[in-house]
Amino acid sequence: SYVLTQTPAVSVAPGKTARITCGGDTIGRKSVHWYQQKPGQAPVLIIYYNDDRPSGIPERFSGSNSGNTATLTISRVEAGDEADYFCQVWDNIRDHCVFGGGTKLTVL
Amino acid sequence: QVQLVESGGGLVKPGGSLRLSCAASGVSLSDNYMNWIRQVPGKGLEWLSYISDTGYTIRYADSVWGRFTISRDNANNLLSLQMNSLRAEDTAIYFCARDSRPTAGIYDYWGQGTLVTVSS
Repeated sequence: SYVLTQTPAVSVAPGKTARITCGGDTIGRKSVHWYQQKPGQAPVLIIYYNDDRPSGIPERFSGSNSGNTATLTISRVEAGDEADYFCQVWDNIRDHCVFGGGTKLTVL
Repeated sequence: QVQLVESGGGLVKPGGSLRLSCAASGVSLSDNYMNWIRQVPGKGLEWLSYISDTGYTIRYADSVWGRFTISRDNANNLLSLQMNSLRAEDTAIYFCARDSRPTAGIYDYWGQGTLVTVSS
């Protein structure tokens, strides 16, 4: 089955740029979606189809996808961005959803 | 405004059964692909199952295939997950979620989750 690999933890200072990666075999050929989850809350969709943002999501959040790596970029990081971030794709062969293991973003 | 509210979680012994429900408002479940996703507290997300808008297509993750059954009550706009032969490793928070683009896995609405604990 398809596997998505995320770095478990990323730290960044406020105002800097955070990059969270999601690795998968030729993931560039797939559509990648990203979720933000804060403690005690349900996940929130923040990026879909690699680089689209739902309404209400700040432009500071952006995505890209190429080759074997998809990347979520958070510009001008704020304390409120501290959360877990999950990437996700659809495995068309198995008709299943696949999530990455998640990355905990810490704002220093 | 779309709202999904799960219920039915609780403590159950290994081998036991539990039925989770997801009540929807602001959206008709019969017009949407609906999913169940779980999360061990502090861990990652695990997709479990989806049911298509027509109900004709249903899929399960290998980890729950043959033990869990997804269903939908259109009259009451209710999504359900019947969980049988429960194991300790099924202990998790269970979320229902709407897939905004069928089988794209774009989950734009989630419930708040219901906790299932499997323990003797």
